[in-house]
Amino acid sequence: KNEVEQSPQNLTAQEGEFITINCSYSVGISALHWLQQHPGGGIVSLFMLSSGKKKHGRLIATINIQEKHSSLHITASHPRDSAVYICAVRGGGADGLTFGKGTHLIIQP
Amino acid sequence: GAVVSQHPSRVICKSGTSVKIECRSLDFQATTMFWYRQFPKKSLMLMATSNEGSKATYEQGVEKDKFLINHASLTLSTLTVTSAHPEDSSFYICSARDDLRIPTDEQYFGPGTRLTVT
Repeated sequence: KNEVEQSPQNLTAQEGEFITINCSYSVGISALHWLQQHPGGGIVSLFMLSSGKKKHGRLIATINIQEKHSSLHITASHPRDSAVYICAVRGGGADGLTFGKGTHLIIQP
Repeated sequence: GAVVSQHPSRVICKSGTSVKIECRSLDFQATTMFWYRQFPKKSLMLMATSNEGSKATYEQGVEKDKFLINHASLTLSTLTVTSAHPEDSSFYICSARDDLRIPTDEQYFGPGTRLTVT
């Protein structure tokens, strides 16, 4: 079974700062997801990666398959980016996703 | 983009009653649907995987007789919590995947259902 570790667990930053959230996993995967969860609970899928790098607006996600590691970056952070960011992987024998515990991000104005 | 809805978004029920949660894919065929639950301040946990027209596959530790899953059509899966107890209070989220679409790893999440059992 895959073990998914995220760091940091909590992150508070000032508006405008560059944010990095890390995710590592223990066994090979077919895909890695970055998800955003707001206080109401709803989940938004930000990226799905199997290799390389993806960019969407101020968000960038990278993955290194050999090192079993992915990062989510937020450039020019804004208070509306405040949310829980969750890394999830598919693989290691499971069809469904295995989730990290999430990173609680607070961007202060 | 692909949209998944869940109904109800919030439900309060009494101990011993049953509650049904619906998960619908609105603009695509969901060949596979997943049910997850999330306890406060905890990560999401996969409960079961369902494929249209076949029995759901439950994760270890999830009681299939308590959490009944029906995936009767390519756009609808239901989760019924039977004889609910307060410890079943949780946030339940479904996701759907269209296995005929490339890439097949893409999952689309519903907005979730918050269940409170009193």
